[in-house]
Order: sequence, then structure tokens, then C-alpha cells
Amino acid sequence: EAGVVQSPRYKIIEKKQPVAFWCNPISGHNTLYWYLQNLGQGPELLIRYENEEAVDDSQLPKDRFSAERLKGVDSTLKIQPAELGDSAVYLCASSSTSGRTDTQYFGPGTRLTVL
Amino acid sequence: AQSVTQLDSQVPVFEEAPVELRCNYSSSVSVYLFWYVQYPNQGLQLLLKYLSGSTLVKGINGFEAEFNKSQTSFHLRKPSVHISDTAEYFCAVRPINTGNQFYFGTGTSLTVIP
Repeated sequence: EAGVVQSPRYKIIEKKQPVAFWCNPISGHNTLYWYLQNLGQGPELLIRYENEEAVDDSQLPKDRFSAERLKGVDSTLKIQPAELGDSAVYLCASSSTSGRTDTQYFGPGTRLTVL
Repeated sequence: AQSVTQLDSQVPVFEEAPVELRCNYSSSVSVYLFWYVQYPNQGLQLLLKYLSGSTLVKGINGFEAEFNKSQTSFHLRKPSVHISDTAEYFCAVRPINTGNQFYFGTGTSLTVIP
């Protein structure tokens, strides 16, 4: 079974430029998460989807960040325009509410550097 | 509200020595508990989890953790560490029956010294 796939793995951009990250969750997982991880810190939730619905986006800076999960499968996270402080690792994770998995599975992350 | 506290940000330990990484949590509801490991430039990988039943949980790579409800703790242990255990370790909780939300600690950096 394939794990959570993220692309790109690394991205370097100049400030004020747009950037987008893509995530494909594990097949059949209805819950998808986007996390921000700063150096030396734990993951911080940006947005959580249940199928195609964003059920928790309270920590998403909506002035510059947006996300979508069309058809309830893969998802895209966008930043426009990027700022220096956005440099971090962006992690995608997925889980299933069916059965008793109760576990998140993480992708390898996208490391963003804003110059 | 939920919070997770990992008391040690960095833990150096000699190879083949035992190690304990501490995790305490605060929650107004019952929770599931998890430990994840993160190797450099990789995502988080599940080590073990406590959902119910026996409070001593065994995971991958020889790690185990014990859930202590009265002390709201879920400390991670390994009797003999290897160089390959050098990584970042994260404790996380998920409130039961309140949605699929996870809360992470700030992590403990384990360095195994040859």
C-alpha cells in the first residue's frame, strides 16, 4: 500500500512569490491534514478535511494561505504571496475514521525556503 | 482544551544504555495517545499507540510506553538504544469522540553517543 505522497520535496522561492504544495493521501482515508513544522518544533495544524469539507481551518492564515481538496482525495495548499517567515516544513497526513485505525500517517513533507 | 508537554527537549544517551522520554498531557476528555519518530528530512512515523486495554504498549524498534492515567503521562522507554535511534520523538494525543484532531508536543531530540 502506498503511503502519503507529497510534492515537491523541496522548494526555494523568493518572497512575494506564490507557491503550491500537493498531497495525495492513503487510498480510502477520508481525513486529510496539513501541518506546519518549524525547526525544532512539533507539527501545528493548519487545516483538516473530512472528505472534501474543511472542518477545522482556524489556524490557517487566510489572508495568504488557501487549500482545497476537490473530490475528497488529493489536496493542494497554496501560499500567495510567500513571506520570509513561511520558511518551514509543510507536512500532509491522512487518517481513516472507519474501523479503529485512529492513526495519522504522514508524508515526507515539503521543505520551503523563502529568500 | 488539550495540551502535550515533553519535558526534555534534548536527551543524549550512550549506545546500549536505557532511555526514557517523558510525555505529560492535559485534557478535559479521555484521549488516545501516540508516539511518533521523525528521522532527518523525513515525515513522522508511528512508533506505538495506546487506545485501550493494557497500559503497557509495545511498539516498533524495541520501544515501549506506559500509560498512567492518574499522572496523565505516557513515557516512552527503550532498554538499550542504538545509534540508529538518533531522531526526533513526538508525543501526541487525540481526544476520543470529539473529532479527528491530534495535538502534538514540541518534541524530544534523542542523540545516541557511540
